[in-house]
Amino acid sequence: GAGVSQSPSNKVTEKGKDVELRCDPISGHTALYWYRQSLGQGLEFLIYFQGNSAPDKSGLPSDRFSAERTGGSVSTLTIQRTQQEDSAVYLCASSLGSLAGLSDTQYFGPGTRLTVL
Amino acid sequence: KNQVEQSPQSLIILEGKNCTLQCNYTVSPFSNLRWYKQDTGRGPVSLTIMTFSENTKSNGRYTATLDADTKQSSLHITASQLSDSASYICVVSGNTGFQKLVFGTGTRLLVSP
Repeated sequence: GAGVSQSPSNKVTEKGKDVELRCDPISGHTALYWYRQSLGQGLEFLIYFQGNSAPDKSGLPSDRFSAERTGGSVSTLTIQRTQQEDSAVYLCASSLGSLAGLSDTQYFGPGTRLTVL
Repeated sequence: KNQVEQSPQSLIILEGKNCTLQCNYTVSPFSNLRWYKQDTGRGPVSLTIMTFSENTKSNGRYTATLDADTKQSSLHITASQLSDSASYICVVSGNTGFQKLVFGTGTRLLVSP
């Protein structure tokens, strides 16, 4: 594909419901990242994948948040029992990964805007 | 705590004018610094990347500078165009072995006709 794609572009859900957000990285990119961008805030790191493993989950705000990546490609971010404070834009990025060295560039998708009512 | 601070928060300039955006960071150790442009409703797009040994990097009308001693960076936009209206985000990467980025909150630039 031409770039990182994310779906859905917008998601409105009720408090307490579970949601799944999807990210399709650029083909060949081994590294994948999830970020959250709240209104008026900078991007907040959530989780990083190298291949299918997640060496750094330190940014996940609570155990309601989880993510997986299968086949070294598509990733899903799942938020269980959503709360109003989960409302934000969730951005996914991919990069060539560790083999590209310290100047590895992340390419971002357009994001999923999540609104929890 | 690793932080990236940007100023001004917002800026309005007339088309054709120049402007300079500032970034101060406390991220340590330091690997590299990027400037990203984020159009409304879109993901950030990388403009420049600099390692600690680089003082300046240009990309068309965008010129970034880095002073690793004072931990300051600037992004200078020359001859601004309406399409430059966006948020400009300073992003710093620590030497953690992978690209864990610390993002500033951005400067929102509006170029007015």
